[in-house]
Amino acid sequence: GENVEQHPSTLSVQEGDSAVIKCTYSDSASNYFPWYKQELGKRPQLIIDIRSNVGEKKDQRIAVTLNKTAKHFSLHITETQPEDSAVYFCAAVRTYKYIFGTGTRLKVLA
Amino acid sequence: DVKVTQSSRYLVKRTGEKVFLECVQDMDHENMFWYRQDPGLGLRLIYFSYDVKMKEKGDIPEGYSVSREKKERFSLILESASTNQTSMYLCASSLVLADNEQFFGPGTRLTVL
Repeated sequence: GENVEQHPSTLSVQEGDSAVIKCTYSDSASNYFPWYKQELGKRPQLIIDIRSNVGEKKDQRIAVTLNKTAKHFSLHITETQPEDSAVYFCAAVRTYKYIFGTGTRLKVLA
Repeated sequence: DVKVTQSSRYLVKRTGEKVFLECVQDMDHENMFWYRQDPGLGLRLIYFSYDVKMKEKGDIPEGYSVSREKKERFSLILESASTNQTSMYLCASSLVLADNEQFFGPGTRLTVL
């Protein structure tokens, strides 16, 4: 069946450094790729998304890149801050069907 | 601001009990979803509903059923709870069914003893 592989499962960075999380998907019909952030004990919240007709999207310190040919997409966080510490989930979406990655626990060390 | 609420944050039940998890959204969204979240497995879709009284199976529907009698409310039912249904359950809603943001509730952590 379809799946999404997400790496790394844990990531520790120093405050101010950049963080990159990568996802690879199998369903070539996926055309929407959201990223969710889940802080400890809280609900997942959308932080950025990209559609298949776009290669890159940026929102302040967060950017997402998509390579449809290779079927992978990445989340880039620059100038990391302690409040960026959370679990991040990617998803590959085709119509209603969200296939989530297994999550990356990001720790930003002060 | 979209509000998705779930009836309980924590729930402890015994094996064989019938369990109801309720989800309410206040933004008139057509579409509602139930996921379970397990460490190392991410979020997996149990059921979704695209209209009142309409439902579709997701990837892991076995052992679960759902009910949507009103647009704002979507219930997940465990007919006879088992220990392997111990998990975090997340409800979500979306305005548009396809390729669109889903808004999540805070989750219910269910423990089945």
